[in-house]
Parts: sequence; structure tokens; C-alpha cells
Amino acid sequence: EPEVTQTPSHQVTQMGQEVILRCVPISNHLYFYWYRQILGQKVEFLVSFYNNEISEKSEIFDDQFSVERPDGSNFTLKIRSTKLEDSAMYFCASNGLAGITDTQYFGPGTRLTVL
Amino acid sequence: SQQGEEDPQALSIQEGENATMNCSYKTSINNLQWYRQNSGRGLVHLILIRSNEREKHSGRLRVTLDTSKKSSSLLITASRAADTASYFCATDPPAGNKLTFGGGTRVLVKP
Repeated sequence: EPEVTQTPSHQVTQMGQEVILRCVPISNHLYFYWYRQILGQKVEFLVSFYNNEISEKSEIFDDQFSVERPDGSNFTLKIRSTKLEDSAMYFCASNGLAGITDTQYFGPGTRLTVL
Repeated sequence: SQQGEEDPQALSIQEGENATMNCSYKTSINNLQWYRQNSGRGLVHLILIRSNEREKHSGRLRVTLDTSKKSSSLLITASRAADTASYFCATDPPAGNKLTFGGGTRVLVKP
């Protein structure tokens, strides 16, 4: 069964450094998402991406964040200058069809630790 | 309460018993989805129920949706130790794709 994959599984970085989290969505999917989950808290929406542009973003997704689909398979989340409070599990998700909403399939996550 | 709130927050049962958890939400929805998360791991999709559906089954899972009460329930029948996990409901609005998650119910199934 196709699945969303994410790399790396764990990223440790120093405050102020740039990180890029990578995701490979399910191949025929059209909509891509990033969510994050701070330890012990709810899963929070960050951004959705469709047709090579951001379709919706949350207040969390400020100028320090950016997303890109550099080729036909990868979907990346970049944090330009990481802060301690960016430490969280970051999940990529995708869904497809021409439809508006359908099941969102999540990757296994990247645990980001900012020191 | 916020959009997508589960109760109870934690549930401890014996293997073979049923586990029931509830989710309440505040605004109109298009779909409601249930996910499972094992400790520190990814989110596994369990079941999606659309706003015009009232009940759905998948294996040992039964989900109900009452849009008049803005609530949903997830029932796991004949629980197993492997069902130990956190369970989250997530709603999406009539327009747009973003999912809003609840705080989750932590389920412990004791062998």
C-alpha cells in the first residue's frame, strides 16, 4: 500500500540554524500538508499546498517557514532560523482525488530538536 | 471547548472489553476523521465519516456522527493490547482542507 515517507526521522539542530524537512507524498496525490505536534500537545495545522502554491496557512506559519515542491516527488518544509519553540514532531500529509477533502494520509514524522 | 475535543482524556480497560471515546466540535464540518497514534510515532488513519453519514464500521471499529449535537464517538470492540495508543478526532471545514485535531484520548488495554 502506498505511504507517505519522511526524512530524517530525527533532526537535532542548534538554535538559529536552518533545517529542511523532507517528505515524499503518495505519488498520485495532489494536496500536501505540514502539521506539527509539540510534545504532549495537539497536532496543529501549518500549511496546505496545491498546484505549486500555498492554499492555506496558519498563524504559526510565519516568515521563518517556507514550503517547496522542488521536483515531482518531494515536498519540503524549511525553517530558516530555528527557535527553541520549534522543537516538535513535524508531520507531512497528502490526499488526492480531484475532491476537496478526503482522507489525509500522514507520514511517520520528523522529530525536530532545537538546542 | 475547542474544535475537536475528545473525552475521556484517558481510558484504561482490560483486553476483550470495549472502548468508547467521544469527540465534540463547534463549527460545521465536511468530514470527521479518527486517527491512532502510538507513542511518539506517526498518525494512522482509522476511519472517515462524512457529514451526511450517521454511522460507519470498519472491522472492530464503529464510528457515529451526530451533526445536530456536533459530536462523534469511536467504539473499539473486543480490545486487544495492541490497541493501546492515543486516539484523535480531526475535523475539516466545508471549505478548505486543513484538519483541526482534538487533544486525544489515551487508551491503555491491559492484557
